[in-house]
Amino acid sequence: RKEVEQDPGPFNVPEGATVAFNCTYSNSASQSFFWYRQDCRKEPKLLMSVYSSGNEDGRFTAQLNRASQYISLLIRDSKLSDSATYLCVVTFSGGYNKLIFGAGTRLAVHP
Amino acid sequence: NAGVTQTPKFQVLKTGQSMTLQCAQDMNHNSMYWYRQDPGMGLRLIYYSASEGTTDKGEVPNGYNVSRLNKREFSLRLESAAPSQTSVYFCASGGTHRGAFQETQYFGPGTRLLVL
Repeated sequence: RKEVEQDPGPFNVPEGATVAFNCTYSNSASQSFFWYRQDCRKEPKLLMSVYSSGNEDGRFTAQLNRASQYISLLIRDSKLSDSATYLCVVTFSGGYNKLIFGAGTRLAVHP
Repeated sequence: NAGVTQTPKFQVLKTGQSMTLQCAQDMNHNSMYWYRQDPGMGLRLIYYSASEGTTDKGEVPNGYNVSRLNKREFSLRLESAAPSQTSVYFCASGGTHRGAFQETQYFGPGTRLLVL
């Protein structure tokens, strides 16, 4: 079983739609959680951190459920520019700041 | 403030050739990382350097060596390239996000390597 699992998609949605991605992780000792965005043939870029209380950044809302070991990302009012691959990232400490990346969920927003 | 820079952007090698991928960061971060990204597999850690003067193996270190030249620079060397090393290589440096407690990582633009 992969340490971080994501539905690869693609999720094809029209502009203005609301779309949600989930991610599950296997290690209950995971400490920090992030969502990264990766555009085609580009580097991953930090989108937002995920806190236990949930957090919002504009049209993006991230939630963490430690009991069920999953993380979610909700995008409201999708824009064409939101088309990208979204990577779920889980971290551990222990010698170094170890990041475990999911393989990503691809989102395609169409007019 | 360039963030994390990598050279070269693209490289084609023949099996058995060697090369060094260069990485530099200007964010004054202590930790630096090398990853490879292959389709459907996510990013996998090759080597990391928690601070200047230290390096350690990650998940997939075989066939690679690294040098932490100074706080800014962290290079990755392929001594004898193999087709299985065809991949996209990303360097990253570690720092905190918006003053938060947890560290996250900031990536360079990547090097696309093809080994024939």
